[in-house]
Amino acid sequence: DAKTTQPNSMESNEEEPVHLPCNHSTISGTDYIHWYRQLPSQGPEYVIHGLTSNVNNRMASLAIAEDRKSSTLILHRATLRDAAVYYCILRLYNNNDMRFGAGTRLTVKP
Amino acid sequence: AAGVIQSPRHLIKEKRETATLKCYPIPRHDTVYWYQQGPGQDPQFLISFYEKMQSDKGSIPDRFSAQQFSDYHSELNMSSLELGDSALYFCASSFELQGVVTEAFFGQGTRLTVV
Repeated sequence: DAKTTQPNSMESNEEEPVHLPCNHSTISGTDYIHWYRQLPSQGPEYVIHGLTSNVNNRMASLAIAEDRKSSTLILHRATLRDAAVYYCILRLYNNNDMRFGAGTRLTVKP
Repeated sequence: AAGVIQSPRHLIKEKRETATLKCYPIPRHDTVYWYQQGPGQDPQFLISFYEKMQSDKGSIPDRFSAQQFSDYHSELNMSSLELGDSALYFCASSFELQGVVTEAFFGQGTRLTVV
């Protein structure tokens, strides 16, 4: 299985942008890059996903390296409510095996 | 909008008892996933179902079984409960769009405590 590597933790100041990196050097051509986050005491929540091109939605942006071996989740203006564990997950396009690795715990300081 | 519904929200069982957790996916979602999350740990994938058939299997113990019914709801059956089974159990659902899996939506979880 393709694996992902993320930093254990990151800190950000409120209202500043946050760049959360993810390495996935063994990614296959049909793996989608998904990001989820888990706020305290809640179930995981979908953030964004992409295949090759950069993606934007109301929550975040996803920047995917040209070789697809890494990606970065961008929160444009961090708020206190963005404090969560962020998970980068690779999913084969038609696969229902979605496994969480060790995510990045984001702390947002006021 | 309708979300994934899990019941019960909390459950307390004694060792060696059995437990059944239920999951009602979002309407028209055809895929259900089950996860176990111990204290301070990341969610661990247990099993998934697509169109009422087992799709993928993760680290689900042999004491556990699951199925997806004709109305797409799913049940996780846990027997011979052990103290180590105490955890949050999450269910998620998604659907396939033109052969590609879409994002998964998670329920609020069932907190199982084994005493």
